[in-house]
Amino acid sequence: QKEVEQDPGPLSVPEGAIVSLNCTYSNSAFQYFMWYRQYSRKGPELLMYTYSSGNKEDGRFTAQVDKSSKYISLFIRDSQPSDSATYLCAMSRGNQFYFGTGTSLTVIP
Amino acid sequence: ETGVTQSPTHLIKTRGQQVTLRCSSQSGHNTVSWYQQALGQGPQFIFQYYREEENGRGNFPPRFSGLQFPNYSSELNVNALELDDSALYLCASSLDGLNNSPLHFGNGTRLTVT
Repeated sequence: QKEVEQDPGPLSVPEGAIVSLNCTYSNSAFQYFMWYRQYSRKGPELLMYTYSSGNKEDGRFTAQVDKSSKYISLFIRDSQPSDSATYLCAMSRGNQFYFGTGTSLTVIP
Repeated sequence: ETGVTQSPTHLIKTRGQQVTLRCSSQSGHNTVSWYQQALGQGPQFIFQYYREEENGRGNFPPRFSGLQFPNYSSELNVNALELDDSALYLCASSLDGLNNSPLHFGNGTRLTVT
């Protein structure tokens, strides 16, 4: 069993839709939780970084962490074609980061 | 603020050869981590360098080695290349070797081994 599980998609939504991306994990030692966005032929770009259970909002993005269920989510409101990318969840234990496989998202104009 | 830069962007090597990839960290960051991202997969941790010393290593064989220089730039060396080494190699910098400090990635080096 992988330590971080993420549905690879692909996910296709119309412009303006609310997008929900999810990851589950098995190791309760994970302390910090992140979401990265990766455009084709680019490196991952940090979107959200959070520690505690609960919600964290930044513009159109909301990260949600439920440590009791070992489940994290990223919500994108009013999705735009420029949001089309692969979204990677990540979590850290010490100085090692563990990534999901990424979910490919396409937002259709 | 200067971001993480990696060179070269693309590289083609033959099985058995050796390769060196280079990385300059984001300004203000003194810790560098290297990750391997196979096609359709998430990045996998290779190792981290802090204060010019290896500060943690993932499940990669010793033919993967690295260096960090006094200016915090870093190299990843891979010896005896295998076909499965074909991947995107990502360098990420972070702050002060602090555990859990978020990673800031470069755009990677695409290595193809034939």
